[in-house]
Amino acid sequence: DAGVTQSPTHLIKTRGQQVTLRCSPKSGHDTVSWYQQALGQGPQFIFQYYEEEERQRGNFPDRFSGHQFPNYSSELNVNALLLGDSALYLCASTGLAGTDTQYFGPGTRLTVL
Amino acid sequence: AQTVTQSQPEMSVQEAETVTLSCTYDTSENNYYLFWYKQPPSRQMILVIRQEAYKQQNATENRFSVNFQKAAKSFSLKISDSQLGDTAMYFCAFMIPVYSGAGSYQLTFGKGTKLSVIP
Repeated sequence: DAGVTQSPTHLIKTRGQQVTLRCSPKSGHDTVSWYQQALGQGPQFIFQYYEEEERQRGNFPDRFSGHQFPNYSSELNVNALLLGDSALYLCASTGLAGTDTQYFGPGTRLTVL
Repeated sequence: AQTVTQSQPEMSVQEAETVTLSCTYDTSENNYYLFWYKQPPSRQMILVIRQEAYKQQNATENRFSVNFQKAAKSFSLKISDSQLGDTAMYFCAFMIPVYSGAGSYQLTFGKGTKLSVIP
């Protein structure tokens, strides 16, 4: 039973560029959430996708956007990258339409130079 | 807004000993879930234990157990017979189920406690 997978593992970008991160949920899960974890901090909720729509969003600017595909996988897009966007980006999946425990992927480490 | 506070930035414990990590939270809701997640250097956030607020019995998972004090809004994690593999960041997290009044789908995390198990 495959767990949550994320790609790529590491990514280096420069300020102003755009980036796309990818996530495949755990088998049987239909909901994907994205979190940003800055160094030395706990994860902060970005948004959650269910039935291919964003249904809840945290306190993040519109530069952060996402998408969910019919197979429940998801993408996180960040435009106009800032140095402060450097962080570990975690994807979490859950079943039962988002009401169950969230299981996390290994994360993507984004460095913005 | 709900908040989660972990007051111990770092802790250490001798192998085979017992250690307790503290967590307090603030909410006016009556129905919620509490979690402990472990994040080793590999970065993977791993679920350790989950507690439903309506359950009076404290959750246990093998060597891991919680002391849930609802009135005090306290949720501590006890690790018994500590092992080298327990070395990690431990995060306390909180969620109000969506079917409750102020419910949402997001987890709110504390800042974490770095636990080192010493041989």
